[in-house]
Amino acid sequence: DAKTTQPNSMESNEEEPVHLPCNHSTISGTDYIHWYRQLPSQGPEYVIHGLTSNVNNRMASLAIAEDRKSSTLILHRATLRDAAVYYCILRAYNQGGKLIFGQGTELSVKP
Amino acid sequence: DTEVTQTPKHLVMGMTNKKSLKCEQHMGHRAMYWYKQKAKKPPELMFVYSYEKLSINESVPSRFSPECPNSSLLNLHLHALQPEDSALYLCASSQLLETGRTGNTIYFGEGSWLTVV
Repeated sequence: DAKTTQPNSMESNEEEPVHLPCNHSTISGTDYIHWYRQLPSQGPEYVIHGLTSNVNNRMASLAIAEDRKSSTLILHRATLRDAAVYYCILRAYNQGGKLIFGQGTELSVKP
Repeated sequence: DTEVTQTPKHLVMGMTNKKSLKCEQHMGHRAMYWYKQKAKKPPELMFVYSYEKLSINESVPSRFSPECPNSSLLNLHLHALQPEDSALYLCASSQLLETGRTGNTIYFGEGSWLTVV
């Protein structure tokens, strides 16, 4: 299974931008990069995904390196409700499209 | 409606009991998943169903028995579990995967908290 590496934890201040990094040096050309987050006592929630180009949606932005070996999830203005574990996941079609979670980054947001 | 509904939310069972976890979605998704999550750990994939047929079994012990009676429902039958099987069990669904298309969003339920005593 394709692997991702994320910092175990990060801290942010409320209303400031947050950049969550992810390394995926073994990514193949057809792997999509997915980000999910899991709030306490809830199931994982989709955040964003991309293949090669940077992506924006109402929740976040995803910046993908040109060589695709790393990516960064950007929360433009962190709120207290963004405190969660953020998972960067490579989804490979040749593995049945399995979503295999790595260890994730636990984000804490300070008021 | 982008909801995956799981019941029960909490279940306590003895090691000799037989119980079932249920999952339902009405998004027309033809791929459904079971994940297991221990405290402070990421979710681990257990099973994947495509078109109501089991397509992936991640070497899960036979005391866990999945069933997909129709395109909206997914069950996980539990029998002779061990205390170490206590965990959060997550159900998820997505549009059916096609070769080269792994950008589909997977929608997760809130999970069923299982305690084996």
